[in-house]
Amino acid sequence: ELKVEQNPLFLSMQEGKNYTIYCNYSTTSDRLYWYRQDPGKSLESLFVLLSNGAVKQEGRLMASLDTKARLSTLHITAAVHDLSATYFCAVDMTNTGNQFYFGTGTSLTVIP
Amino acid sequence: GAVVSQHPSRVICKSGTSVKIECRSLDFQATTMFWYRQFPKQSLMLMATSNEGSKATYEQGVEKDKFLINHASLTLSTLTVTSAHPEDSSFYICSARSLYNEQFFGPGTRLTVL
Repeated sequence: ELKVEQNPLFLSMQEGKNYTIYCNYSTTSDRLYWYRQDPGKSLESLFVLLSNGAVKQEGRLMASLDTKARLSTLHITAAVHDLSATYFCAVDMTNTGNQFYFGTGTSLTVIP
Repeated sequence: GAVVSQHPSRVICKSGTSVKIECRSLDFQATTMFWYRQFPKQSLMLMATSNEGSKATYEQGVEKDKFLINHASLTLSTLTVTSAHPEDSSFYICSARSLYNEQFFGPGTRLTVL
């Protein structure tokens, strides 16, 4: 059974600080996604990582993928209040079963 | 970008009734559609995977007779919650995978069973 775990589950940080969210998964996959979810809303796509060593950046967020370690990170630089949301990673099992599994989620609160 | 719609966005029903939720890919053909359930402050749990014209594949622990999935065309999948009970109250989200393996999520349907 595939497990996708995020760390931490809850994160409270001050504006201007940096932090990293980790996503570990238990089986082989070369496709990993990061999403943002605001309360009561559906998912907003942030990043698609399609190969080992992939790194993508958008604004204050940067995501990376290490398929050998089965680890992805989402790094937050100089956080601002607008980044407060829940962040999910998701592993795409297209190659083995066509399933798509979400991580446990990280609830981020940025304090002014 | 590609758009996936869900209808209704919100539904309240009495215990014992059945509720149908539609998921449509508006401007692309979806080879596969997925149904997720999300309880408050929890992650999205994959319920089933459906391919057009074939039976859905359900995840372990999901009752296929309670959550009926019909993938009638390359742009439409429906989830019917049969004989709904209060514990079925949840946020249901569908997603659609395009021919290019991109995945797009619907806005979600909030089901409340009284």
